[in-house]
Amino acid sequence: NAGVTQTPKFQVLKTGQSMTLQCAQDMNHEYMSWYRQDPGMGLRLIHYSVGAGITDQGEVPNGYNVSRSTTEDFPLRLLSAAPSQTSVYFCASSYSGNSPLHFGNGTRLTVT
Amino acid sequence: GENVEQHPSTLSVQEGDSAVIKCTYSDSASNYFPWYKQELGKGPQLIIDIRSNVGEKKDQRIAVTLNKTAKHFSLHITETQPEDSAVYFCAARTSGAGSYQLTFGKGTKLSVIP
Repeated sequence: NAGVTQTPKFQVLKTGQSMTLQCAQDMNHEYMSWYRQDPGMGLRLIHYSVGAGITDQGEVPNGYNVSRSTTEDFPLRLLSAAPSQTSVYFCASSYSGNSPLHFGNGTRLTVT
Repeated sequence: GENVEQHPSTLSVQEGDSAVIKCTYSDSASNYFPWYKQELGKGPQLIIDIRSNVGEKKDQRIAVTLNKTAKHFSLHITETQPEDSAVYFCAARTSGAGSYQLTFGKGTKLSVIP
């Protein structure tokens, strides 16, 4: 099992550009989520999904969209990047919402 | 919503000594408390967790204690080694109405000095 795979590892965007951060898991996990990590702020939940076709907002959802068309994939879309979205983004998954969370190795995004 | 406070933010210990990291939470409905270790350039990795029906759990050199009355839980690492150097995060999860959201503390950077 590869676990949770995130691509790309690094990305630089200009303000206003759009991009999609990819996340895939091969553990047949129902629950997937996106966090952002900023210095001194810990991990904050952006969006999550309890299964294919179902998504919901977390603590800091503004500026981000998600969709869950398959169990395996949970992409995070930035429609118009802003410098405030410079961060490290982590995707995570678990067998259910009540199971331990497994993280990917992150995408470091810089918006100039 | 849930609020998790973690202390200290940085901790330096000599190799072989013990390290203790403490967290408090605000929502008495929280029932699951994991601890994650994050090494440089990697994602957080679960090292130990405890549920609200248990007061203490141990796994080799790592232990977690939970005091539900005081709403705090702690990570204890004994006989620390240089490879224990990392950032550690505590978290608390409240479940209800189909929602299972983890709230994280802000992290503790542990340095083990050889």
